[in-house]
Amino acid sequence: QLQLQESGPGLVKPSETLSLSCTVSGGSIGSGHYYWAWIRQPPGKGLEWIANIHYRGTTFHNSSLRSRVTISVDTSSNQFSLRLHSVTAADTAVYYCARVDPQDLAPRFDIWGQGTLVTVSS
Amino acid sequence: SYELTQSPSVSVSPGQTVSVSCSGDNLGRKFAYWYQQKPGQSPVLVIHQDTKRPSGIPERFSGSNSVNTATLTIRGTQAIDEADYYCQTWVDDTPWFGGGTRLTVL
Repeated sequence: QLQLQESGPGLVKPSETLSLSCTVSGGSIGSGHYYWAWIRQPPGKGLEWIANIHYRGTTFHNSSLRSRVTISVDTSSNQFSLRLHSVTAADTAVYYCARVDPQDLAPRFDIWGQGTLVTVSS
Repeated sequence: SYELTQSPSVSVSPGQTVSVSCSGDNLGRKFAYWYQQKPGQSPVLVIHQDTKRPSGIPERFSGSNSVNTATLTIRGTQAIDEADYYCQTWVDDTPWFGGGTRLTVL
């Protein structure tokens, strides 16, 4: 059974870079046609998509975050990562990693990690 | 950008049927997805491609999508269905989420 687990610092200072990793277990990140995604949720608010990546390197970004986001994949460690630069308090959120299954040309976020809270504060 | 609008909250009595709606421009021409999120937990996909239930999702969950509105319907609502429900669709290669609807089972 495929599982995703986020990891990274829970506290980041303003203007610094938020760095998170998502470890995929129970399957290979490089198998099939899946994309891998980062989604965040500010406390008490809704879901906001950040970016997707395919193991071959194709990426898609939320246009409002594109200039600050780097998403990457490491097939040797079965992980994908997020870097969000120049963070502010508005970036405080629970960050989820998720799998995107594009089956039937109808992509869905079908497996999610448990999420990790990142607080931006000095 | 693309906006999906959901009512902030809805309530239902146990055993009754409840509908959660999601509106967006020409949403009926796109696929709609629904996610259930219980407090402190990750979202769970409950409906994809407008009407399909993933394996393990109870039959009481169903979906529809027409014109500008997608609807999630729960028949025979149970206390365990109390959660936030988010609709989602894709425009080009970008996923958009609705603001979420809190379902309270009274």
